[in-house]
Amino acid sequence: AQSVSQHNHHVILSEAASLELGCNYSYGGTVNLFWYVQYPGQHLQLLLKYFSGDPLVKGIKGFEAEFIKSKFSFNLRKPSVQWSDTAEYFCAVKAAGNNRKLIWGLGTSLAVNP
Amino acid sequence: NAGVTQTPKFQVLKTGQSMTLQCAQDMNHNSMYWYRQDPGMGLRLIYYSASEGTTDKGEVPNGYNVSRLNKREFSLRLESAAPSQTSVYFCASSELQGITGELFFGEGSRLTVL
Repeated sequence: AQSVSQHNHHVILSEAASLELGCNYSYGGTVNLFWYVQYPGQHLQLLLKYFSGDPLVKGIKGFEAEFIKSKFSFNLRKPSVQWSDTAEYFCAVKAAGNNRKLIWGLGTSLAVNP
Repeated sequence: NAGVTQTPKFQVLKTGQSMTLQCAQDMNHNSMYWYRQDPGMGLRLIYYSASEGTTDKGEVPNGYNVSRLNKREFSLRLESAAPSQTSVYFCASSELQGITGELFFGEGSRLTVL
């Protein structure tokens, strides 16, 4: 069965620190990959996604993620975090093709201290 | 556009009471979903509707029923609420079973069952 693993459950950083959140998945076929963000008290929204092409994907608010197929990974990065990045981050994976559901990681809670 | 709208945003129930969570989307999406979000457990799919007229069970369907009233609306019903159903419920929609894979979420409904 497919699964998604986010290694860091809680991360605390100071402003201007660099961020990397890990995401690994288990599925041998072609996948579509997503990072969603949930700011405190708000709904989830898409941060970035990868379907094909350049494995380095740039999203909103300065976030990027790199798909490394050989490692089954899709880690999220940001060079310099801000207090406003405090949120919960979810990695999700979908087997490519229609009629396939998203498989979610458990999420990583990020707190950025000013 | 309003996107995905859920009502109510907050609800307190006593054990055994019933209620219906309403969800409507105005993006002409074919697929709709109900998730629950619990601390440390990420997002779990309760039910989904791949297209108008169809509904299917997700990971945690017990204690819930759904109705895809039309293309826009997808409701979630708790027939006899239990404390274990205390959670935040999110409705989401996407193109036909996720052609792009991107889900659009409502703002959530926080349910407490006493």
